[in-house]
Amino acid sequence: DQQVKQNSPSLSVQEGRISILNCDYTNSMFDYFLWYKKYPAEGPTFLISISSIKDKNEDGRFTVFLNKSAKHLSLHIVPSQPGDSAVYFCAARDHQTGANNLFFGTGTRLTVIP
Amino acid sequence: KAGVTQTPRYLIKTRGQQVTLSCSPISGHRSVSWYQQTPGQGLQFLFEYFSETQRNKGNFPGRFSGRQFSNSRSEMNVSTLELGDSALYLCASNQRGDTVYGYTFGSGTRLTVV
Repeated sequence: DQQVKQNSPSLSVQEGRISILNCDYTNSMFDYFLWYKKYPAEGPTFLISISSIKDKNEDGRFTVFLNKSAKHLSLHIVPSQPGDSAVYFCAARDHQTGANNLFFGTGTRLTVIP
Repeated sequence: KAGVTQTPRYLIKTRGQQVTLSCSPISGHRSVSWYQQTPGQGLQFLFEYFSETQRNKGNFPGRFSGRQFSNSRSEMNVSTLELGDSALYLCASNQRGDTVYGYTFGSGTRLTVV
């Protein structure tokens, strides 16, 4: 059963506009959430993370928002650039298990149109 | 500094055979994790090694095994290959063994079972 879900397999956005990638989760024991970006033929690259005790974390053009009551997080990219075109994975850690593995979503392919 | 190196990049095997994949983490990183990526399932956790000990294991059959050497290099073995084992296998390393700091992934080994 997929504990982390990315329901939009793809998203297209015009260059300069905002990209919003969404992620839902079911496990209320997740304590950290992360976003990774993946280009073809490369491994995923860590982008940004957020603790469950926060509702927002910002790093340059990237901002992650967490809504714990809705079990929803989103990644905002402003402004979007063609180099942002990649597959974005949402991931989460279950602190209750004491383990450090991550649960990943199935990814959203972002295409930024010049 | 050198990134995470996975060899080989591509592999074609016949059903019933076994295969060994190799991963060299970033120098100084003691934690190595393995993930399987398939189109419908996203990234699924296989196992994590830290200082030569398997610290955590995902929900995969016993045909999937691994080990870590004293230099932190890791190998993953799959015996009695099945068609469903065709996937991208990703290795990730982490300095502190705590995923809240993010992984560094290798580019993966693409395994095709025919």
